[in-house]
Amino acid sequence: DQQVKQNSPSLSVQEGRISILNCDYTNSMFDYFLWYKKYPAEGPTFLISISSIKDKNEDGRFTVFLNKSAKHLSLHIVPSQPGDSAVYFCAANGDTGRRALTFGSGTRLQVQP
Amino acid sequence: KAGVTQTPRYLIKTRGQQVTLSCSPISGHRSVSWYQQTPGQGLQFLFEYFSETQRNKGNFPGRFSGRQFSNSRSEMNVSTLELGDSALYLCASSTGVTGELFFGEGSRLTVL
Repeated sequence: DQQVKQNSPSLSVQEGRISILNCDYTNSMFDYFLWYKKYPAEGPTFLISISSIKDKNEDGRFTVFLNKSAKHLSLHIVPSQPGDSAVYFCAANGDTGRRALTFGSGTRLQVQP
Repeated sequence: KAGVTQTPRYLIKTRGQQVTLSCSPISGHRSVSWYQQTPGQGLQFLFEYFSETQRNKGNFPGRFSGRQFSNSRSEMNVSTLELGDSALYLCASSTGVTGELFFGEGSRLTVL
């Protein structure tokens, strides 16, 4: 039973355009959400997070939107750059403590020059 | 400040053997958690240690175990290895204040 779902395994966008990565969750106890980026042969690196008391959080080119009623969040990258090409994981916690994250299966983003 | 260090980076074992992986967290971080990454299952939570105590455990069989030492370094052990245990094992450390985890580069285990 996947509690965090990333239904798009891959996404391809042109450099300079917007990348939108989506994530859905089923556990209503989740109250903190994070996005991680992972390059091959490296561990995931933290990108941005959002608490359930907010519906938007922005950090430079990265913005995360949270729709609690729909149990949906999205990561927007504007403008997309070739260096953004990586696998992006959505993660959530809240029901088993702050340090036990439940991850989605990841979306591979390819930014074409 | 040094990041999370995992050793070994790569290892090959055969079915039935056991393996021990090591993780040194970021200095000052007292929480260490372990995740398994496989192509089909993504990242799955194994367990989390804080001050030498296991505080959370994921849905893995008892063959997977871990421990944390007084200096916050952690080890995980997998006994009676199965082919399906082939994966990237990631260690992450945290201050515990927020949900941000800082990951190491992982230990890639291949079971033949």
